[in-house]
Amino acid sequence: KQEVTQIPAALSVPEGENLVLNCSFTDSAIYNLQWFRQDPGKGLTSLLLIQSSQREQTSGRLNASLDKSSGRSTLYIAASQPGDSATYLCAVRPDSGYALNFGKGTSLLVTP
Amino acid sequence: NAGVTQTPKFRILKIGQSMTLQCTQDMNHNYMYWYRQDPGMGLKLIYYSVGAGITDKGEVPNGYNVSRSTTEDFPLRLELAAPSQTSVYFCASTRDPLRKGFGSGTRLTVV
Repeated sequence: KQEVTQIPAALSVPEGENLVLNCSFTDSAIYNLQWFRQDPGKGLTSLLLIQSSQREQTSGRLNASLDKSSGRSTLYIAASQPGDSATYLCAVRPDSGYALNFGKGTSLLVTP
Repeated sequence: NAGVTQTPKFRILKIGQSMTLQCTQDMNHNYMYWYRQDPGMGLKLIYYSVGAGITDKGEVPNGYNVSRSTTEDFPLRLELAAPSQTSVYFCASTRDPLRKGFGSGTRLTVV
């Protein structure tokens, strides 16, 4: 059974800092990995999707990497802003099936 | 496009009551999903559908039922509400399984 772990569970940083969120998964037989953002009381917003054959994806100040063989992904946020404050969820889709396996998320607070 | 629309946004149920969580999408997506998110936990798949008339169980289907009579609608039914079903429920849809668009959620409390 796929287990997805996100570290740290919570993170508080001052505005302007670069930061890294970590995601690990136990079964390397994945089809893709996706990073989501969740704001309080809101749904999920897809940030980046990395196919299993890819090593990284970039969107603006966000960069996600994937090391499938070691079961790890990182989300790098450059020059953090208070508007980045949210919970970030990592999810992996297995090679077979449609379900996404989610981690518990990292709650990020960026202070002015 | 309105995207994925869920109703209601909030609901309080008494133990044993029943209700239907509505989910509709206007993007003509074939794939639709229901997830639940418990406090401090990741999302878990309840049911999913790959097209009208086709549904299948996810990881935590017990206590729930679904139907997919049209492409647009994918309602989730709770027949006998239990406190363990207190959660936030998210509906999602996609044209293909790669990327999902999520609704804003239904916060359900069973007392």
